[in-house]
Amino acid sequence: QKEVEQDPGPLSVPEGAIVSLNCTYSNSAFQYFMWYRQYSRKGPELLMYTYSSGNKEDGRFTAQVDKSSKYISLFIRDSQPSDSATYLCAMTFRWGFGNVLHCGSGTQVIVLP
Amino acid sequence: NAGVTQTPKFQVLKTGQSMTLQCAQDMNHEYMSWYRQDPGMGLRLIHYSVGAGITDQGEVPNGYNVSRSTTEDFPLRLLSAAPSQTSVYFCASSSPTAINEQFFGPGTRLTVL
Repeated sequence: QKEVEQDPGPLSVPEGAIVSLNCTYSNSAFQYFMWYRQYSRKGPELLMYTYSSGNKEDGRFTAQVDKSSKYISLFIRDSQPSDSATYLCAMTFRWGFGNVLHCGSGTQVIVLP
Repeated sequence: NAGVTQTPKFQVLKTGQSMTLQCAQDMNHEYMSWYRQDPGMGLRLIHYSVGAGITDQGEVPNGYNVSRSTTEDFPLRLLSAAPSQTSVYFCASSSPTAINEQFFGPGTRLTVL
């Protein structure tokens, strides 16, 4: 079993729909949780990060962490074709540079106009 | 600002050849790192640096060398390429005040035959 599980998709939704992405993990010691967006043939781009359990909102994006269930989610409201990308979840045991990123394999999202 | 730049974009090597992947950033970031991304594996940290003259190993350092003589540049050297090093390589940089908010380059796609 992988340490971080993420459905690879693809996940196709019509423009304007809510995109729901999630990851499950096995190690309860993870404390910091990140979501990256990666366009085709580009480098990843950090979208959001959260510490421990709870919600965080940034514009159309909401990240949720449920440590009791070892489950994290990313919601994209009012999805746009420009949101079509691969979304990676990642987590670390502590904050700081040089930490190992424990990543999911990424979910490909396609927003249809 | 160009951000993080990487050269070359693509490279094909034969087993046993050596090469250097170049990475440069113009944001005056002290922290730089190298990752590899393989299908289904997410991002894996190879080496990182917290400043000129200071480097350290990440999760998968074997077969790779780095040095950091300037703040701007952080080259990655493959001493004797192996097929297992076929991957997409990303360089990233960040500021000490926003450690985990890394800016990624566009990547180098390397194939080792």
